[in-house]
Amino acid sequence: GEDVEQSLFLSVREGDSSVINCTYTDSSSTYLYWYKQEPGAGLQLLTYIFSNMDMKQDQRLTVLLNKKDKHLSLRIADTQTGDSAIYFCAESDTGRRALTFGSGTRLQVQP
Amino acid sequence: GAGVSQSPSNKVTEKGKDVELRCDPISGHTALYWYRQSLGQGLEFLIYFQGNSAPDKSGLPSDRFSAERTGGSVSTLTIQRTQQEDSAVYLCASSTLAGRYEQYFGPGTRLTVT
Repeated sequence: GEDVEQSLFLSVREGDSSVINCTYTDSSSTYLYWYKQEPGAGLQLLTYIFSNMDMKQDQRLTVLLNKKDKHLSLRIADTQTGDSAIYFCAESDTGRRALTFGSGTRLQVQP
Repeated sequence: GAGVSQSPSNKVTEKGKDVELRCDPISGHTALYWYRQSLGQGLEFLIYFQGNSAPDKSGLPSDRFSAERTGGSVSTLTIQRTQQEDSAVYLCASSTLAGRYEQYFGPGTRLTVT
């Protein structure tokens, strides 16, 4: 079945860039997503990328997709303390609409 | 506009009791999903409703779990004879059918089985 993997923890200093990485196994993945979860809160959709794209930029967020290596990354420029949260990578395909999530990466931003 | 809402926000129940969790999707969203989030298993898909089609139940962990969606809108997830391993946060999401399949999540129901 599908598998999505992420590193568990990342610590950065305020103002630095953060890069959160994700790998997936399903070659039929159509869309790849990044969700953010703050403590005690639900999942907030941050951004997504279609599998025929290799980059998407949205304000401080840059998503890079290497389809050959099945590697997805989320770069957050000028990271702020408010960016501290758990970030989930997820994928779906046209056949199976449900999302398959990674285990989440906890981002800690130090002042 | 209003987002996905879920009720109750917290539910504590005794082992063996039945529980019902409710989800109100975003108005106009025809697809509805249930997931659960637990420490041991992460985020898992449970069930997916799409319009009037038969639901995709492939993620339901046992026959104690069932869900229905009435009138193409509100959905109820029912867990019968709850067990301690059912303790988790149950998340509902909705999306439109067209395009990018972006799913918008509700705040979740935290279920604790004692």
